[in-house]
Amino acid sequence: NAGVTQTPKFRILKIGQSMTLQCTQDMNHNYMYWYRQDPGMGLKLIYYSVGAGITDKGEVPNGYNVSRSTTEDFPLRLELAAPSQTSVYFCASSYGLRGADTFGSGTRLTVV
Amino acid sequence: DQQVKQNSPSLSVQEGRISILNCDYTNSMFDYFLWYKKYPAEGPTFLISISSIKDKNEDGRFTVFLNKSAKHLSLHIVPSQPGDSAVYFCAARGSNDYKLSFGAGTTVTVRA
Repeated sequence: NAGVTQTPKFRILKIGQSMTLQCTQDMNHNYMYWYRQDPGMGLKLIYYSVGAGITDKGEVPNGYNVSRSTTEDFPLRLELAAPSQTSVYFCASSYGLRGADTFGSGTRLTVV
Repeated sequence: DQQVKQNSPSLSVQEGRISILNCDYTNSMFDYFLWYKKYPAEGPTFLISISSIKDKNEDGRFTVFLNKSAKHLSLHIVPSQPGDSAVYFCAARGSNDYKLSFGAGTTVTVRA
């Protein structure tokens, strides 16, 4: 049982470049989330989805986009990378509102 | 505005002793609280949760206490083991909320 799988694990981007962080879950969870964690800070929600075709903004959505075409996949797109987007990104999923989120192992992104 | 606060960034405890981690929240709409454990280079993993209808929840060596009037919860680990050395995050959500609000984390070091 793979749980939540994120790729890549590490990436260095130049300012202005674009990339997609991939996230896949095999637990048939309806709810999926993208968080970022900056040094010394808690996780902040970027975007979330309550089901295929439905997405909504979290606390810090600027500079990011998401899509949810299937239950399994929830990719995060950075269009014009900026140094402020240097962070560790975590994808998570949950069965319901009371289900504990299951997290992927993270993507460490550096923008130079 | 950080709605979940963990005011102790670090905690050092001797193996076999009790670890007590504290968490305060400001949003009175929060009614479900979770603790996560995170090792370096891994995603957070769910540890234990508590609903606002309870004031205590226990799972093996881990007990979470909730004081709603003080908007305070704590995690007790008894006895502490070397494998408990990790970052612990407190998180909370409201009944109509899909997303978690996280504290900044407390790094626990268990000394042999």
